[in-house]
Amino acid sequence: EIVMTQSPATLSVSPGERATLSCRASQSVSNNLAWYQQKPGQAPRLLIYAASIRTTGTPARFSGSGSGTEFTLTISSLQSEDFAVYYCQQNNNWPLLTFGGGTKVEIK
Amino acid sequence: QVQLQESGPGLVKPSETLSLTCTVSGGSISNYYWSWIRQPPGKGPEWIGYIQYSGNTKSNPSLESRVTISIDTSKSQFSLQLSSVTAADTAIYYCARRFDGGGWFFDLWGRGTLVTVSS
Repeated sequence: EIVMTQSPATLSVSPGERATLSCRASQSVSNNLAWYQQKPGQAPRLLIYAASIRTTGTPARFSGSGSGTEFTLTISSLQSEDFAVYYCQQNNNWPLLTFGGGTKVEIK
Repeated sequence: QVQLQESGPGLVKPSETLSLTCTVSGGSISNYYWSWIRQPPGKGPEWIGYIQYSGNTKSNPSLESRVTISIDTSKSQFSLQLSSVTAADTAIYYCARRFDGGGWFFDLWGRGTLVTVSS
């Protein structure tokens, strides 16, 4: 099983600032990685797939990068609606799809 | 607009079978892959398995001995059965659709239903 490790567990950021979230895979997943956003009481929402491609409706302030074992989600200028928990997910090791433990982005 | 809605008991006794149904509305259940995903409180999601409209299924190897996923296309529903449950199976259970842009990612989710395993 590929273990996805996200850091930090909690990120405190002021509105308008940049947020950088990390996701590390225990072995290479190529670019087979997605990022999700989850707000309290809601299901996860797919933001980015194939490591760097935004889904329709994902604002341009969200960007994904990386390949292999190291990935980054960057939110260039945090808006109030961006405070949430973010998860990464790999699908390189089918059918053992795995998610990370999440990074909570909170208001500083 | 396609929507998913989970339904089923919120409380299941240990050693019994958890049964949930997902209803697909606002669109066709055909031509997509449909999954069950669960999320223990405060933790990341865990993929359980999928079913295709044709009936083909695949489950997470860590759960497959206990998982049965079925589909009823006439009702636009698919279902999950998880047998021999323990407290470790307590989670929010989501049904979700595979993203058709490539890869095994999920672009449409139900609201989720909390299932607690307790006597």
